[in-house]
Amino acid sequence: DVKVTQSSRYLVKRTGEKVFLECVQDMDHENMFWYRQDPGLGLRLIYFSYDVKMKEKGDIPEGYSVSREKKERFSLILESASTNQTSMYLCASSLTPGQYEQYFGPGTRLTVT
Amino acid sequence: TQLLEQSPQFLSIQEGENLTVYCNSSSVFSSLQWYRQEPGEGPVLLVTVVTGGEVKKLKRLTFQFGDARKDSSLHITAAQPGDTGLYLCAGASGSARQLTFGSGTQLTVLP
Repeated sequence: DVKVTQSSRYLVKRTGEKVFLECVQDMDHENMFWYRQDPGLGLRLIYFSYDVKMKEKGDIPEGYSVSREKKERFSLILESASTNQTSMYLCASSLTPGQYEQYFGPGTRLTVT
Repeated sequence: TQLLEQSPQFLSIQEGENLTVYCNSSSVFSSLQWYRQEPGEGPVLLVTVVTGGEVKKLKRLTFQFGDARKDSSLHITAAQPGDTGLYLCAGASGSARQLTFGSGTQLTVLP
């Protein structure tokens, strides 16, 4: 059974803190994605990775960075958290560039105070 | 940036009613997917449509891809409370590795 897990379901951080969100998939998928989800805005792509150590910016990369040291793990980093980064963060993976179906984790609801 | 517009944004209906959700774009997509997201969970893929004019059925859900591959619809017959959730369409184009997601339709089916 396909599985994408995220390190935390809920997270509360203070402004200026460095925040790490971890995502692990057990499907040997090449592609991994980080989205943020806000009411009325759907899912917006922050960064994605199509191979180990490879990354590409999505639509809203500002204020975020990513790391992919192993195929199964994709980390999202908020270098200095701000209140406007309060959101639901979703990680997803897909098999190959030709296979667009994405499998999502349960999400991390991050609150920055 | 390609955009996908979904309508309506919110829909609240009684159990047993029929409904249609729309997903529209000015861009052509090579395939289009529909996902459903329940509270506290990530989206789950319902269906992928690839061919213009294609119709796929999943029990009481009927999905259609427009002839020009710019739009899609989701029709639910005799809605049930278990259909409640956020419905998202997502389009793939060309060699792009990522999907473009619509803004979603929040469906509530009241018993």
